[in-house]
Amino acid sequence: GNSVTQMEGPVTLSEEAFLTINCTYTATGYPSLFWYVQYPGEGLQLLLKATKADDKGSNKGFEATYRKETTSFHLEKGSVQVSDSAVYFCASGGYNKLIFGAGTRLAVHP
Amino acid sequence: NAGVTQTPKFQVLKTGQSMTLQCAQDMNHEYMSWYRQDPGMGLRLIHYSVGAGITDQGEVPNGYNVSRSTTEDFPLRLLSAAPSQTSVYFCASSRTGTGETHSPLHFGNGTRLTVT
Repeated sequence: GNSVTQMEGPVTLSEEAFLTINCTYTATGYPSLFWYVQYPGEGLQLLLKATKADDKGSNKGFEATYRKETTSFHLEKGSVQVSDSAVYFCASGGYNKLIFGAGTRLAVHP
Repeated sequence: NAGVTQTPKFQVLKTGQSMTLQCAQDMNHEYMSWYRQDPGMGLRLIHYSVGAGITDQGEVPNGYNVSRSTTEDFPLRLLSAAPSQTSVYFCASSRTGTGETHSPLHFGNGTRLTVT
């Protein structure tokens, strides 16, 4: 069946450091791919998405490119801020459901 | 803009009790779903609905019932609560969600349930 694997956390960075959170998926077709972010005490919010191969999703300085050849959708940001501290979830569009990875906690220190 | 509203925010139950978690959305979304979030396990799908009158099981449906009598509401019922159902529950909706074509999910703020 479809599945999503993302790197374990926590990831701890200093402010202005470069961020990469790895995500790979398995799927029978060509699913839509998403990154969601969860701030403490809140539900998940959509961060960015890509619907087909080679699409790049971007939002708030975050980017991820849909790589069909490596079945990956890695999240990157060039310069993180303390306010980016949160849990990040990669998700893949399975049949009639979104399948989520386990989440990666990011902590950014001043 | 209310979006997805979940009630209650917190609940404590004793083993064997039943209760209903409420979820309502005001965006006229066809697709609604319930997830549970447990540490280290991400979100797991409990039940989902692709429209009024249509529901189906997700990954972890045992011990839970749902119904979808209106487009707006999608309550989750715990029939006989067990400690293993201690979790944070999220309701989510989207414009479409059939097949592998998904609009982004809009999440409620969650219900934290403790079963003792």
